Amino acid sequence: SQQGEEDPQALSIQEGENATMNCSYKTSINNLQWYRQNSGRGLVHLILIRSNEREKHSGRLRVTLDTSKKSSSLLITASRAADTASYFCATDTGNQFYFGTGTSLTVIP
Amino acid sequence: NAGVMQNPRHLVRRRGQEARLRCSPMKGHSHVYWYRQLPEEGLKFMVYLQKENIIDESGMPKERFSAEFPKEGPSILRIQQVVRGDSAAYFCASSQDGRYQPQHFGDGTRLSIL
Repeated sequence: SQQGEEDPQALSIQEGENATMNCSYKTSINNLQWYRQNSGRGLVHLILIRSNEREKHSGRLRVTLDTSKKSSSLLITASRAADTASYFCATDTGNQFYFGTGTSLTVIP
Repeated sequence: NAGVMQNPRHLVRRRGQEARLRCSPMKGHSHVYWYRQLPEEGLKFMVYLQKENIIDESGMPKERFSAEFPKEGPSILRIQQVVRGDSAAYFCASSQDGRYQPQHFGDGTRLSIL
């Protein structure tokens, strides 16, 4: 399956610390996207990184993409309690779009 | 609210009944996607539609499930003769441009089968 797998499955940190989540996938992609889901809500798009890009920033978010290793990471700096959510990567292979299994992030105030 | 609207938010059906889930995309969006999510799992793609056309239904079960996106009105995901295994959260998303561009999600319909 192409489905991305996030690592770790669950992460618990103190407010102010950085949180890093990883996503691995199996086949070549056009782009990779990160989404966030608060409990009981729909997903919110965070950032899209194309296959020819290596790094992208948006506010406190930093995404890297290593196509040789077929992996991506999402870094949230200076975390806040409001960052508590599940984070999913999604891969576009050109004819399929797969969501990963998600990382559940808990930020403790 | 200009976001993706799904209704109902919660739907309870008995085995054998029909479930109809509705999704109104964001204004100006003509691409609609349906996903299913089981507890503690990621989203599983079901179907991708543009106005009046099914583009990709590779994730839809072959039987009992159907989807439409008519020229006027919301997109509908229809599940006939529901079974316990259909219990899940069903999410709709829309995008303005082609497939795989950032998608905007509704808050889902939680379907429970008694």
